[in-house]
Amino acid sequence: QQQVKQSPQSLIVQKGGIPIINCAYENTAFDYFPWYQQFPGKGPALLIAIRPDVSEKKEGRFTISFNKSAKQFSLHIMDSQPGDSATYFCAASSPGGKLIFGQGTELSVKP
Amino acid sequence: KAGVTQTPRYLIKTRGQQVTLSCSPISGHRSVSWYQQTPGQGLQFLFEYFSETQRNKGNFPGRFSGRQFSNSRSEMNVSTLELGDSALYLCASSIYGLAGLDTQYFGPGTRLTVL
Repeated sequence: QQQVKQSPQSLIVQKGGIPIINCAYENTAFDYFPWYQQFPGKGPALLIAIRPDVSEKKEGRFTISFNKSAKQFSLHIMDSQPGDSATYFCAASSPGGKLIFGQGTELSVKP
Repeated sequence: KAGVTQTPRYLIKTRGQQVTLSCSPISGHRSVSWYQQTPGQGLQFLFEYFSETQRNKGNFPGRFSGRQFSNSRSEMNVSTLELGDSALYLCASSIYGLAGLDTQYFGPGTRLTVL
């Protein structure tokens, strides 16, 4: 029940495409859902986060869609660029709890 | 403000040895969490320290231990190394360590290779 399942494991898109990464969770106590971006040789960095009281949040070219009834959330990257090539992790936590991370998605954006 | 720093960045050890990794959090951050990152398992939580006390612990064997000092710097130790311990070990710091209330900032990690 503590797991966060992320798909796909890897993703290749052309520049300008809209990669979509999906995550699903079971624990209804989770109330915080961040996405992290990790470049090779670096630690993960917080990209964008959402709480279950909203269905969508946008920050620049990054959008989180949240479906509370389905216990799913996803990351969309608009107008993707080669510089977006990285590994993306979704995560979830309950109030005051620790972050539970998905398995990660390796995104490659081809020029 | 300086970010989270981890030393060393790379380590090569042999089976049976022990290793100590160090993490210096961002100034003012009192919570330090450790994660193990592997291609097969992703990011797995090891433990979290707040004000020198272990507050949360993941599902790792007792060979994995840690501590936090009064200046919030933290170390983790792995004894009797096994091949499966080869991984990137990440440290993350935050002010209160409360997910959703403050942001965790990750260091670059220590790449441990066990031969």
